[in-house]
Amino acid sequence: DVVMTQSPLSLPVTLGQPASISCRSSQSLVYSDGNTYLNWFQQRPGQSPRRLIYKVSNRDSGVPDRFSGSGSDTDFTLKISSVEAEDVGVYYCMQGTHWYTFGQGTKLEIK
Amino acid sequence: EVQLVESGGGLVKPGGSLRLSCAASGFTFTNAWMSWVRQAPGKGLEWVGRITSKTDGGTTEYPAPVKGRFSISRDDSKNTLYLQMNSLKTEDTAVYYCTRDNYGGSQHWGQGTLVTVSS
Repeated sequence: DVVMTQSPLSLPVTLGQPASISCRSSQSLVYSDGNTYLNWFQQRPGQSPRRLIYKVSNRDSGVPDRFSGSGSDTDFTLKISSVEAEDVGVYYCMQGTHWYTFGQGTKLEIK
Repeated sequence: EVQLVESGGGLVKPGGSLRLSCAASGFTFTNAWMSWVRQAPGKGLEWVGRITSKTDGGTTEYPAPVKGRFSISRDDSKNTLYLQMNSLKTEDTAVYYCTRDNYGGSQHWGQGTLVTVSS
């Protein structure tokens, strides 16, 4: 099974400052079709998760451009260029190459 | 607008069974790959299975913790996804989400339905 490891697990950030979350997989996420199926999700308190990013760096419809994804093979990063109050919540990476596996989650809070 | 509405959750005793439903609208359900994802109270997200479209074989896949106990099916005539859960354990207690998959991940999510397994 593919294990997804996120860091940090807790991320206190000052409003307006950037934030970065790392996600590492235990094996390559490059699929046989050449695509890398790495997703990022946001779960605000009391809400269902919402996908932000698919295939490493593609933003879903309606996702603000302050969110960006990057990485390759086994190492991936979600960046928020300037954190806003509405960004508080838990962020999960998820691989879709070898069935589906989620990371443990990173809790973003405002300092 | 894509809508996924789960139902069927509730309280069940260990060893019991429950069937969840997910009513889908706002997209062509027949062509969709669908998954179930759960979240235990205060915990992270866990994928519990997926079904492909009938065009792609209607195949199902499950992770080890639920394989042999959970079964996903679909009724394309009713735009409805199902999760049959048998031999339930206390560790199956969670909110269960129905998701529509796209580009190798869960693009759209329902509001979830709570399943509590307790004696």
